Amino acid sequence: NAGVTQTPKFRVLKTGQSMTLLCAQDMNHEYMYWYRQDPGMGLRLIHYSVGEGTTAKGEVPDGYNVSRLKKQNFLLGLESAAPSQTSVYFCASHSGANVLTFGAGSRLTVL
Amino acid sequence: AQSVAQPEDQVNVAEGNPLTVKCTYSVSGNPYLFWYVQYPNRGLQFLLKYITGDNLVKGSYGFEAEFNKSQTSFHLKKPSALVSDSALYFCAVRIPPGGSYIPTFGRGTSLIVHP
Repeated sequence: NAGVTQTPKFRVLKTGQSMTLLCAQDMNHEYMYWYRQDPGMGLRLIHYSVGEGTTAKGEVPDGYNVSRLKKQNFLLGLESAAPSQTSVYFCASHSGANVLTFGAGSRLTVL
Repeated sequence: AQSVAQPEDQVNVAEGNPLTVKCTYSVSGNPYLFWYVQYPNRGLQFLLKYITGDNLVKGSYGFEAEFNKSQTSFHLKKPSALVSDSALYFCAVRIPPGGSYIPTFGRGTSLIVHP
């Protein structure tokens, strides 16, 4: 019953450093999403994927890159972290059932 | 474009009283509507959905929601609130296959149930 697993759960970066968040799902879902959650802002879509090898920009894509080389994995990269990217990041996936399954979140702090 | 509004940032209710968390939407076409709940330091969990059929849908933990097409609303309700219901609630909308499959979320409503 793993569902959606995000790693790492916590990370502290210095401005300018790079990192990658990994999202892994074991439900054979086609669609995968990366959101960020900030107080008072709700969930904002960063990037998404409709299948292996495909990615697309969401509402707030600047400063992030993604890759979906394998169907079960969706990676979110920060090439040069900025304090404005301090947030909680959530990965989610779904299939034709339309209900999203979310990961537990990754809390990122950029100093 | 599709959008969701949750007009209340916070809802306060006493334990045992009925609760309502409001959601209105704007889409072209017939919507798929969802409610999710987020407990502290956790990811979002699915509560219930409306796809078609009966306007009153029942979900997890005793929650229900009523789809009102004329008012474009999908309010979340529970007859008797529990302290353990205190959490952040998100309404989401998407349109059926053939349109955008990407769900749009509201900003969330913090529900606080007082003992």
